[in-house]
Amino acid sequence: TQLLEQSPQFLSIQEGENLTVYCNSSSVFSSLQWYRQEPGEGPVLLVTVVTGGEVKKLKRLTFQFGDARKDSSLHITAAQPGDTGLYLCAHFTGNQFYFGTGTSLTVIP
Amino acid sequence: NAGVTQTPKFRILKIGQSMTLQCTQDMNHNYMYWYRQDPGMGLKLIYYSVGAGITDKGEVPNGYNVSRSTTEDFPLRLELAAPSQTSVYFCASSYQGRTELFFGEGSRLTVL
Repeated sequence: TQLLEQSPQFLSIQEGENLTVYCNSSSVFSSLQWYRQEPGEGPVLLVTVVTGGEVKKLKRLTFQFGDARKDSSLHITAAQPGDTGLYLCAHFTGNQFYFGTGTSLTVIP
Repeated sequence: NAGVTQTPKFRILKIGQSMTLQCTQDMNHNYMYWYRQDPGMGLKLIYYSVGAGITDKGEVPNGYNVSRSTTEDFPLRLELAAPSQTSVYFCASSYQGRTELFFGEGSRLTVL
């Protein structure tokens, strides 16, 4: 198992605030994926980052892959209640996807 | 678009009972996976399959069995249910191993 550590585990913020969540490992990955899971549903892919130092934007969400390809971050600008959910990072190795423990985000209106 | 369909959505079992969680995908994906999700523990892989007739163990296979007789179906069998198997179970599929995972809506299982 190649451990993915996510922080913080829980985050509760007011609508309009900015936030960053992190996904860290001691291993080097060829790519990392970020998923969002809403209550009562399965996770849905947000983005895949592949190149060290890569930055991808998805509306108010900005994803960055570390230069050494061992870590990744997700920054949300002006959070909205619709951003509420569990954010999971994942990597694929040996025919298996490994997931981090997730960051549970609550955005309060 | 159906995607990945899991049944049942909810089930309560008594200790020692057996059951099968059904999973079907209509996207012609080769790879299929079963995960369990416990509070604060993320997703743990139980079993996976890279194609019909091929299955392999994940991180937490004990107490479970799978089969993959067709590309579309990947049922998960629980034998002799135990309280430790209380969890939410997700089936997922992907076209190729490294590509996007598509998840079902989950099956919430309680063992009493």
